[in-house]
Amino acid sequence: RKEVEQDPGPFNVPEGATVAFNCTYSNSASQSFFWYRQDCRKEPKLLMSVYSSGNEDGRFTAQLNRASQYISLLIRDSKLSDSATYLCVVNTGRRALTFGSGTRLQVQP
Amino acid sequence: DTEVTQTPKHLVMGMTNKKSLKCEQHMGHRAMYWYKQKAKKPPELMFVYSYEKLSINESVPSRFSPECPNSSLLNLHLHALQPEDSALYLCASSQDQGSYNEQFFGPGTRLTVL
Repeated sequence: RKEVEQDPGPFNVPEGATVAFNCTYSNSASQSFFWYRQDCRKEPKLLMSVYSSGNEDGRFTAQLNRASQYISLLIRDSKLSDSATYLCVVNTGRRALTFGSGTRLQVQP
Repeated sequence: DTEVTQTPKHLVMGMTNKKSLKCEQHMGHRAMYWYKQKAKKPPELMFVYSYEKLSINESVPSRFSPECPNSSLLNLHLHALQPEDSALYLCASSQDQGSYNEQFFGPGTRLTVL
């Protein structure tokens, strides 16, 4: 089983739609969680850290469920510029990050 | 300023060449990382430096040799690479190697080995 698993997509959604991505992790001792976004041929950019209580940043909401070892990212009112690959990233306790394989989002006009 | 810079942006080298990739950050971060990323795959960790000392080597072949001359700089020396080493090489930094610290990535060096 992979340490961090994501649905690779692609998710094709119209502008204005709400879309949700899920991610599961296998190490129950994992301590911190992040969502990064990566545009084609660019570096990953931090989108948001994920806190136990859940957190929101504008149109983006992240949730963490430790009992189910599950992280989610919700994007409301999708924009064309949201088209990217979204990487679920977990610190699995080795003091380094483990990346999921990414979920590709394509927002269509 | 959350900027990590990397040079060069692109590099083409033969299998007998020796070259170096450079990474710099001025955020006062004490942990720096090298990742390798192949097309349509997530980044794979290669090395971690913490307070200028090598902390993690993910069993990387010796043809890749990291160096951390000071707390702001990270180099990756390349020698006798193989065509399968062609990839995007990403540098990242974080405040320190603690579990909760976010990592910030540079734009990467796109390496082609002929």
